[in-house]
Amino acid sequence: SAVISQKPSRDICQRGTSLTIQCQVDSQVTMMFWYRQQPGQSLTLIATANQGSEATYESGFVIDKFPISRPNLTFSTLTVSNMSPEDSSIYLCSVETSMGETQYFGPGTRLLVL
Amino acid sequence: DQQVKQNSPSLSVQEGRISILNCDYTNSMFDYFLWYKKYPAEGPTFLISISSIKDKNEDGRFTVFLNKSAKHLSLHIVPSQPGDSAVYFCAARRIQGAQKLVFGQGTRLTINP
Repeated sequence: SAVISQKPSRDICQRGTSLTIQCQVDSQVTMMFWYRQQPGQSLTLIATANQGSEATYESGFVIDKFPISRPNLTFSTLTVSNMSPEDSSIYLCSVETSMGETQYFGPGTRLLVL
Repeated sequence: DQQVKQNSPSLSVQEGRISILNCDYTNSMFDYFLWYKKYPAEGPTFLISISSIKDKNEDGRFTVFLNKSAKHLSLHIVPSQPGDSAVYFCAARRIQGAQKLVFGQGTRLTINP
């Protein structure tokens, strides 16, 4: 498995502002993903971060709200733009093994929007 | 459309006894299943997985059983320990075509001393 770190671990933000979350992996991985876990809910996939090309977004998520970068095989960022209290969630980065079966998750970023 | 369901939001078990967490799925194309454990303020930790070509996979205290005809899987933890208290998520995917992971709603397991 890979060692995954996220920054920041938590933040409190004002509505209307934006926050960029960083995900760093200790080894090169093919697939990186961003998830959201709203309070009391399950994990919802936001998008697949593609290296060198635009991210692939799931239904209900758009690039203007959640722009994603992936400049190389070990790093990705997710920006939560123009935040509202409904964006208060845990945001999780995950990576997939070379076998393409199991995903491993980072520690998450806990976001509270006031 | 909830393709992966964990119908028990919570489960309480005495320390030393067996914990059984259940998961049902509706998509017969799923061929790989995983269990994750999540503590508050942490990311999910991968526990154990099973391919659809098997009906059982064991790793230490954790065993996952798959019943394809019933579209049901279960995670057995024996013996249960206080550190097992967490939220457990079942997830499923179709390997071909690199289909995304689909998660259940989670079951909060509490191990009582």
